[in-house]
Amino acid sequence: DTEVTQTPKHLVMGMTNKKSLKCEQHMGHRAMYWYKQKAKKPPELMFVYSYEKLSINESVPSRFSPECPNSSLLNLHLHALQPEDSALYLCASSQAGAGGSGNTIYFGEGSWLTVV
Amino acid sequence: RKEVEQDPGPFNVPEGATVAFNCTYSNSASQSFFWYRQDCRKEPKLLMSVYSSGNEDGRFTAQLNRASQYISLLIRDSKLSDSATYLCVVTRSGGYNKLIFGAGTRLAVHP
Repeated sequence: DTEVTQTPKHLVMGMTNKKSLKCEQHMGHRAMYWYKQKAKKPPELMFVYSYEKLSINESVPSRFSPECPNSSLLNLHLHALQPEDSALYLCASSQAGAGGSGNTIYFGEGSWLTVV
Repeated sequence: RKEVEQDPGPFNVPEGATVAFNCTYSNSASQSFFWYRQDCRKEPKLLMSVYSSGNEDGRFTAQLNRASQYISLLIRDSKLSDSATYLCVVTRSGGYNKLIFGAGTRLAVHP
């Protein structure tokens, strides 16, 4: 079982709604990630937080707004989304630091988002 | 050109078959290499890390050739439960790990 917990598992929202996806890990990891995955495609990186600071924003539209309240929590605030934003949103975490085989990234089960 | 390229698949094999997946990466700065497995409508899960010396985990063997920028995964004695999409992943780091995923290769093992 994954040690990265995401809520909600399923979310349906209208284009004018404001909602949030939440992610929590208690492995002491200092790097956390949001990925987006469309059907039959690999996950695409959206954001990376390292030591609670935003390290990477992969040119994600501003209607997606990440937040890292503390080292265990990562949120993704959603506002004015489009139907094409419907996808599986995956949260992940890893020990911060240089790359190496020990620095495994662990994924949560994902939040299935449908924008109507 | 994509940074990580994989066999297009799908691979349809009978139980007990041996199947090999190949992957190439274009960025020589890539530091870590993995195979992830993803079942339908589930999250990716780490199958194994890949080392230059090669590594084996039961029926699974992974190889890395840094000179050729090539990664492979061999599955022996395929089981029905091996049916999934296999994702080749490389990372570049800087205080975090930026995973770069290949498009994935779908494996279907049939009785």
